Amino acid sequence: DAGVTQSPTHLIKTRGQQVTLRCSPISGHKSVSWYQQVLGQGPQFIFQYYEKEERGRGNFPDRFSARQFPNYSSELNVNALLLGDSALYLCASSPDIGYTFGSGTRLTVV
Amino acid sequence: GQSLEQPSEVTAVEGAIVQINCTYQTSGFYGLSWYQQHDGGAPTFLSYNALDGLEETGRFSSFLSRSDSYGYLLLQELQMKDSASYFCAVRAHNNAGNMLTFGGGTRLMVKP
Repeated sequence: DAGVTQSPTHLIKTRGQQVTLRCSPISGHKSVSWYQQVLGQGPQFIFQYYEKEERGRGNFPDRFSARQFPNYSSELNVNALLLGDSALYLCASSPDIGYTFGSGTRLTVV
Repeated sequence: GQSLEQPSEVTAVEGAIVQINCTYQTSGFYGLSWYQQHDGGAPTFLSYNALDGLEETGRFSSFLSRSDSYGYLLLQELQMKDSASYFCAVRAHNNAGNMLTFGGGTRLMVKP
């Protein structure tokens, strides 16, 4: 079974640009969550989707948005990038208790 | 809001036992999870406690006391490969929905 896959693995963007990150959950998992991890800190919750509906939203500005597709894959969009958005963006899929994380997308904003 | 406290760093020697504590404040508590993350890697699920008591999985054990809002991860027979960051995370349902809130992480260094 393939794990959680994320693309791209690395990305460099300029301030003010927009970025789209992609995630495919483990086959059969209907829930996808997005987390932001700044270097040296724990992951911070951004969104959770289940069956294409938003089930949770963390304390992030409206520049952050996400959606989930019928095949349960998901996209995270960030508009008007700031230097502070530089982080590892993690996607997790979960049948229930134990989240399985993808390897993440390392976003650098310059 | 939700908050979790855990030590920032712990150092131990190979073969020893180490305990990483975690205290939390949250509403809508479901359970406490532990994750391991090696440098440059993704967090990996280790354990989950929904009820009070000790859960054992090989060399790793996790404990929860809901009344004290406290838990710990116990690592036995430490190996060099256990050097990593360890995160406690609260699974809860609140105004933000279903979410996993992570602590700041404990960096474990295992020395020969």
